[in-house]
Amino acid sequence: GENVEQHPSTLSVQEGDSAVIKCTYSDSASNYFPWYKQELGKGPQLIIDIRSNVGEKKDQRIAVTLNKTAKHFSLHITETQPEDSAVYFCAATFTGNQFYFGTGTSLTVIP
Amino acid sequence: EAQVTQNPRYLITVTGKKLTVTCSQNMNHEYMSWYRQDPGLGLRQIYYSMNVEVTDKGDVPEGYKVSRKEKRNFPLILESPSPNQTSLYFCASSSLHRNRDYEQYFGPGTRLTVT
Repeated sequence: GENVEQHPSTLSVQEGDSAVIKCTYSDSASNYFPWYKQELGKGPQLIIDIRSNVGEKKDQRIAVTLNKTAKHFSLHITETQPEDSAVYFCAATFTGNQFYFGTGTSLTVIP
Repeated sequence: EAQVTQNPRYLITVTGKKLTVTCSQNMNHEYMSWYRQDPGLGLRQIYYSMNVEVTDKGDVPEGYKVSRKEKRNFPLILESPSPNQTSLYFCASSSLHRNRDYEQYFGPGTRLTVT
C-alpha cells in the first residue's frame, strides 16, 4: 500500500516567520493530498488540499505545492501566528476511500 | 450544527471485555471511517464504509469489527480488547457526491485505555 513520510516531526518558528512541512509518498497513483490541522484535544480539521492535476494551491497564508515527479508535497504557512500552533498531518489517497496519513508535525509559533 | 459525535470520549477497560465506541454524523454522508492515532505513527485507518451495509478494511483492521446498519451510525466494536489497542480513536465522515471533494469531517476522538 501507500507509504507517506512527513518531516520534520517538530518545528518551532518565531511569530511572523514562515513554516514549511514536507511529505513524500510512494504510490504514484495517489491523486489527492489533504493537509489537516489538529488542535489539542480535538479531531483533525482540513485546512487545504490539492489534486494531482494541480501544482500549487493557495488560501490566504496557507499554500500547498505538489511535485508529482518527485512524489512529494509541502505545506507552507506564511506570517505565522500563535494560533497556528498545532499538529499538522499530511495524507494521500488514490480512491478517496483509503487514506494514508503522515506521522504528524508539531508546530510551535513563539510570540 | 453539522458534526460527527463519538461516545464515550474516554474509556478505561480491562483486557477481554467487549466494548463498542459509537459514531454518529448528521450530515447525511455516505462515507464513514475509523482511525486510530498513536504517538509517532500518525493516523492509521481501521475500517471504512461507503454506504449502509458496505464496509471495507483499512490498514490496521485486526482486532476490530464495524457495522453500518444505518447511514448516520458507524460503531466500532472491540470483541476482546488487548493493551495494544490502547489508543486515541477518531471517526470521520465524508460526502460521496459526484463532485466529491474527499474532505473528511472528524469527530472529537475517544481515548481508550485497555489494562
